[in-house]
Amino acid sequence: DAGITQSPRHKVTETGTPVTLRCHQTENHRYMYWYRQDPGHGLRLIHYSYGVKDTDKGEVSDGYSVSRSKTEDFLLTLESATSSQTSVYFCAISEGDSNEQFFGPGTRLTVL
Amino acid sequence: QKEVEQDPGPLSVPEGAIVSLNCTYSNSAFQYFMWYRQYSRKGPELLMYTYSSGNKEDGRFTAQVDKSSKYISLFIRDSQPSDSATYLCAMKLPGAGSYQLTFGKGTKLSVIP
Repeated sequence: DAGITQSPRHKVTETGTPVTLRCHQTENHRYMYWYRQDPGHGLRLIHYSYGVKDTDKGEVSDGYSVSRSKTEDFLLTLESATSSQTSVYFCAISEGDSNEQFFGPGTRLTVL
Repeated sequence: QKEVEQDPGPLSVPEGAIVSLNCTYSNSAFQYFMWYRQYSRKGPELLMYTYSSGNKEDGRFTAQVDKSSKYISLFIRDSQPSDSATYLCAMKLPGAGSYQLTFGKGTKLSVIP
């Protein structure tokens, strides 16, 4: 998984609670991404980062926030989790202008 | 119309068969085309990457892009049980600052020994 770890790998939480997912990379790649994968929808971009403290919204950013205080870490926060945010979340990284994105192992989140 | 269409399958073939996986797309501005393989409960793994039209071969895998038809294909020769996975196509617009990949929903492939 190209030097990418995600934590936790599995999480069950209740509606209304805050949740933070962490992506950590050892590749020193500049760009990092958060995707969610759902049956019938495929992979969809939530947020991405093009450098420390530089982030932008993707296709499905409502209800999510991100932070990147170090090159190697990209955090995804669900401020108040809802059942519609039950999904598998993937972090990805890419280097420079490379179009090749490399994915982490995923976090399976269930919101009850 | 979805930007990227991909038949979800499932597709089941005998070992040794040639497999053809396809995606169609609506945005003619896409310039970069990728195929990812995803094993069950794993992250997607980049298999092939092509720019614009043409063919690219890597071992048993061949990727084809036909921009005039807005159609891309992945061929797997001499398919093996280890090829059983979901295959995702992905596409990207050109230009600096364009980072978003648009994915198909994936085709689930089973190669039967």
